[in-house]
Amino acid sequence: QKEVEQDPGPLSVPEGAIVSLNCTYSNSAFQYFMWYRQYSRKGPELLMYTYSSGNKEDGRFTAQVDKSSKYISLFIRDSQPSDSATYLCAMSARPGAGNMLTFGGGTRLMVKP
Amino acid sequence: GAGVSQSPSNKVTEKGKDVELRCDPISGHTALYWYRQSLGQGLEFLIYFQGNSAPDKSGLPSDRFSAERTGGSVSTLTIQRTQQEDSAVYLCASSEGLGLAGGGNEQFFGPGTRLTVL
Repeated sequence: QKEVEQDPGPLSVPEGAIVSLNCTYSNSAFQYFMWYRQYSRKGPELLMYTYSSGNKEDGRFTAQVDKSSKYISLFIRDSQPSDSATYLCAMSARPGAGNMLTFGGGTRLMVKP
Repeated sequence: GAGVSQSPSNKVTEKGKDVELRCDPISGHTALYWYRQSLGQGLEFLIYFQGNSAPDKSGLPSDRFSAERTGGSVSTLTIQRTQQEDSAVYLCASSEGLGLAGGGNEQFFGPGTRLTVL
């Protein structure tokens, strides 16, 4: 079993919908949680970075971490066609350089106009 | 732009040949990482450099894989005697270095090199 599980999708939603993307993990040492967005044939770019449990909001994006359930979520409000991409969750036990990130397999999202 | 660059963007090679992939990190970033992304898979960590040294080589899949970094900047990932299972996108990322307690150590990724071994 993988350390980080993520539904590969594809997830297809209409423009304006609220999108919920999720990851589960098994390593209780993970404390730093990230969401990356990856467009086709591009490198991943960091969207959200959270530490420990709780919520973090940035514009249309909200990241939630529930360490007790080993479950993290990314919500996208008012989804746009430009949000169509693969979303990767990543997590680490330590901050700072050399903190090996463990990635989920990514969820492909398609937002239809 | 001043982002992470990688070359070549695409590489097609025959089984058994050696390949060399290059990464130019963001200027001033002391930490550099190599990852591999296979179709439908997440990113697999390969190796991490702090400056020119590699404190963590745990992700290299076999002794056919090696990497070096010179001058605290450019890094090359070398795959010897390539096999078809080496086909993947090889991603390089860099970050500022030590980072702050509690986070603040974003890894910036390059566009990747798509390697195809025939």
